[in-house]
Parts: sequence; structure tokens; C-alpha cells
Amino acid sequence: QSALTQPASVSGSPGQSITISCTGTSSDVGGYNYVSWYQQHPGKAPKLMIYEVSNRPSGVSNRFSGSKSGNTASLTISGLQAEDEADYYCSSYTGSSTLYVFGTGTKVTVL
Amino acid sequence: QVQLVQSGSELKKPGASVKVSCKASGYTFSTYGMNWVRQAPGQGLEWMGWINTNTGNPTYAQGFTGRFVFSLDTSVSTAYLQISSLKAEDTAVYYCARVSGADAFDIWGQGTMVTVSS
Repeated sequence: QSALTQPASVSGSPGQSITISCTGTSSDVGGYNYVSWYQQHPGKAPKLMIYEVSNRPSGVSNRFSGSKSGNTASLTISGLQAEDEADYYCSSYTGSSTLYVFGTGTKVTVL
Repeated sequence: QVQLVQSGSELKKPGASVKVSCKASGYTFSTYGMNWVRQAPGQGLEWMGWINTNTGNPTYAQGFTGRFVFSLDTSVSTAYLQISSLKAEDTAVYYCARVSGADAFDIWGQGTMVTVSS
């Protein structure tokens, strides 16, 4: 099971919107609506931001939204803020012996 | 509150073993599966596998069979990761993470840094 493909870096100015893609296959992203997104600040544990493609856990800002089309999922951050600067990872359920796979990670920089 | 608290950093020599603990609190331990995730220095997240906290049955991802063992002590709501015959490439932060009914990792431990060096 290969890692899901994400862009290495994405940047934007405060207030702008950015989108991070997460490309897999029909065996993971495309086959299930169990795509989740995690934010990780340096030296910290990951934090769940989106689950089941587009659902936000309680306490997560509505500036974060998720979607999916075919084998590609996306995370959009609107109204970019300095505190959004972090690494972001997608994850998908696979249904295989390797139940879950993570994306390669995207570093978000707020200019 | 719901939390996972992991044991502290470890420095081990090649060939030694290490056991990392992950103590759960604030919820019924047996209700959610426990996963283990590795993050090598400067690298991404890698799913190692999970253990069914109800049955104790572990499942290991490819690349994490043989030297890696997941176990439980349900009497103290604690999951364990043991790695034997440590190699330099095992140097990483190891996280435990609870998996929700939506197949998402909703609660994470703070991570345990394991350094393997002679």
C-alpha cells in the first residue's frame, strides 16, 4: 500500500484560501468515504481536522473544509491565518491488511 | 477529559529492546481500537498497525512484523508497543492514536521519541 500523494508545500497570504490535494487510488480514497485530515505543528502530535471526507470535529474552525472527487480528496483552508502554518496529512481507510494509509504530507506556509 | 499519555523518551543501543506505554483515560478503553503511528525525523506519518482493545488481537502493517509487538493491560487501560533488536532506522517518534467509529484518529498521545544509537 503506497502513501497517498500530497504536494510538498502550499503557501498563501493571510486571508486567502488554499487547497491541499490528496491523491490515492480506487482501493483507498476512491473506494471509501473514510478520508481524514490532520494538522501537525512542529514538535506536536497530529490533530484531527476533518473526518469522513468533510466532517469537522467539535472545536475545529469552520475555515477548514474537505471534499472528494474520484480518487482525490482535498482540504481547503479559507481566511488563512498565521496559526494555520503547519504540516497537514491526509489519511484513508483501505480495507486491506494495511487498514490505513497516510499522505506524504504538505507544509503550509503563511506568507 | 479524554486523553492518551505516553511514556517518556528512550535512548537505546542497537540490538536492545524498548517498550512504550500509552495510558488512556476519560473513556471506556475497550470501546475504541488503539493504533500505533511512526514518524521518523523530518518524515511523514506511517501507520504501524492496531490492536483490538476488546479482544487483544493485533494487526501489523507491512514492514512492522516480527520485531514489533502490540499488547494491552486492560486493568490499567494501557496499550504497549515493544520493539526488539533495535536498529538505527527505528529512531523515530512513536504515537498511539485512538480510532473512532468514523475510521479517523481522533485522540493522539503526545508521542514518545525513541533514539537508537551506539
